[in-house]
Amino acid sequence: GIQVEQSPPDLILQEGANSTLRCNFSDSVNNLQWFHQNPWGQLINLFYIPSGTKQNGRLSATTVATERYSLLYISSSQTTDSGVYFCAAMTNFGNEKLTFGTGTRLTIIP
Amino acid sequence: NAGVTQTPKFRILKIGQSMTLQCAQDMNHNYMYWYRQDPGMGLKLIYYSVGAGITDKGEVPNGYNVSRSTTEDFPLRLELAAPSQTSVYFCASSTRAREGAFFGQGTRLTVV
Repeated sequence: GIQVEQSPPDLILQEGANSTLRCNFSDSVNNLQWFHQNPWGQLINLFYIPSGTKQNGRLSATTVATERYSLLYISSSQTTDSGVYFCAAMTNFGNEKLTFGTGTRLTIIP
Repeated sequence: NAGVTQTPKFRILKIGQSMTLQCAQDMNHNYMYWYRQDPGMGLKLIYYSVGAGITDKGEVPNGYNVSRSTTEDFPLRLELAAPSQTSVYFCASSTRAREGAFFGQGTRLTVV
């Protein structure tokens, strides 16, 4: 099946800093999503982005499908951005399994 | 509009017991998923369904069963609980595979 790798595994930043999280995937995808898991364990869908660029406030994401990677940008970080960020992907090849990466744990220090 | 609702939120089982984790969505989504998340790890797919009456195995289906008799409900059954099934279980749904998924709050299960 598809392999989804995320980097870095951990990131500690001062409040106000910017960050870039990366997601590499091993096959062509028709579905790529970014999620935020807050410290209470709740999973929130941030972006559905199989290709191109999207922005939502301080967050934006870009997927370059031909090169098999996606980036999540967080600008002017706030303490509420802390948590684990997951990307999840689904291949073009028939099955409908959404496979998650192992995540990036982001800690924003006041 | 409640979204995806999972019950119970917490449960402690003894080894060998059985239980059903409930998942219901009120968004008329065709696609539903069950994942487990072990401490400090990502999410692993247990089973998924693309519509009522249709289910398929994910990465880690052993020890679990599912059914999908209605669009709204997708229960996960654990038979003969084992300590290795201690985890947080998440249910998710989406309109079709090629859109964003919505997650329930999770069920924290401990098998002792």
